[in-house]
Amino acid sequence: DQQVKQNSPSLSVQEGRISILNCDYTNSMFDYFLWYKKYPAEGPTFLISISSIKDKNEDGRFTVFLNKSAKHLSLHIVPSQPGDSAVYFCAATTWGAQLVFGTGTRLLVSP
Amino acid sequence: GAGVSQSPSNKVTEKGKDVELRCDPISGHTALYWYRQSLGQGLEFLIYFQGNSAPDKSGLPSDRFSAERTGGSVSTLTIQRTQQEDSAVYLCASSLGGDSTEAFFGQGTRLTVV
Repeated sequence: DQQVKQNSPSLSVQEGRISILNCDYTNSMFDYFLWYKKYPAEGPTFLISISSIKDKNEDGRFTVFLNKSAKHLSLHIVPSQPGDSAVYFCAATTWGAQLVFGTGTRLLVSP
Repeated sequence: GAGVSQSPSNKVTEKGKDVELRCDPISGHTALYWYRQSLGQGLEFLIYFQGNSAPDKSGLPSDRFSAERTGGSVSTLTIQRTQQEDSAVYLCASSLGGDSTEAFFGQGTRLTVV
């Protein structure tokens, strides 16, 4: 039972355009959500997070939106850069519990 | 360094042998996680330690897998009688715990069972 789903295994975007990565979850108890970025042969690195009491969190070019009623969150990267090319993992958790990850979306930003 | 450290970075072992993977979390982090990523797959949860609480072992795929965390710091993931399907990158992460859930990952150990 996949509690966190990233239905798009890959996404291709041109440099300068917006990248939108989507994530859906099924467990209504999740109250904290995170996005990680992973380059090949490296461990995932934390990118941005959002608490369930918010619907938006912005950090530079990265914005995460949370729609609790739809159990959906998305990561927007504007403008996209070639260095953003990586696998992006969505994760969700409740306090004191383990992180549950999605299967990842591979983003390719072409010059 | 100040990050999560894992060793070895690469391990090739023969089928049937036991392996131990080590994780040194960030100092002061009370929460420690083990995940694995198989080729082309997402991050599969294995085990989670939080302070002195009993670990959440719900992700361990079989009884050949076990993990310990000594003194609330270093953790060892042990795989007994390795099988080829155990080949994966094993990732360790730590976080402050409590209200902080941002986890920092190590570089991983690439395990290849031949």
